[in-house]
Amino acid sequence: QVQLVESGGGVVQPGRSLRLSCAASGFTFRSYGMHWVRQAPGKGLEWVAVILYDGSNTDYADSVKGRFTISRDNSKNTLYLQMDSLRAEDTAMYYCAKDAGWERPRNYFDYWGQGSLVSVST
Amino acid sequence: ETVLTQSPGTLSLSPGERATLSCRASQTVGSYFAWYQQKPGQAPRLLISDASIRATGIPDRFSGSRSGTDFTLTISRLEPKDSGVYYCHQYGSSPWTFGQGTKVEIK
Repeated sequence: QVQLVESGGGVVQPGRSLRLSCAASGFTFRSYGMHWVRQAPGKGLEWVAVILYDGSNTDYADSVKGRFTISRDNSKNTLYLQMDSLRAEDTAMYYCAKDAGWERPRNYFDYWGQGSLVSVST
Repeated sequence: ETVLTQSPGTLSLSPGERATLSCRASQTVGSYFAWYQQKPGQAPRLLISDASIRATGIPDRFSGSRSGTDFTLTISRLEPKDSGVYYCHQYGSSPWTFGQGTKVEIK
């Protein structure tokens, strides 16, 4: 069965960096695009970033463009999110999510991890 | 950016009743539209994609439909386990966006 397990969250001061990881199993990781989606406490969902199955292309929400970098290591079945210049408004649960499309992205999410909590605070 | 507006904010119904959740897109997204269910402390779960296609393992009590830029999720016979927050999602126009959610309460 598909499993996505996020790690790397925690409490960090504004302006600092953090890297999230998402370990994938139960499917052919190298054949699917992957996304990060976040949810601020008590709020709705916000798409953050996407990376194609082979890492050849990425895209970001305007709110994180230039500060966050999505990447993947297909040899390790792992997705990453490097978060730099963190702000208080980046405080959220960060979910990794599997794209539903095989190689060609569909941009909706058929499996989600349980999330990793990031809190940006002094 | 495509804004999705969900209504109502909260729906309180009894078991066996029919629930109708709505989502309006601010511009055309075709049928590139999904619905997710989220329970407290859990990740969202895909219910419907392409406006009307049930995801694997989703019972046929859940159905989705589209009329132009208006989308509807119908739960035909509510069960207590259907409580949670339901989000709509468009993937027809980048950036991909979500509605603000409809909370479904079972009396």
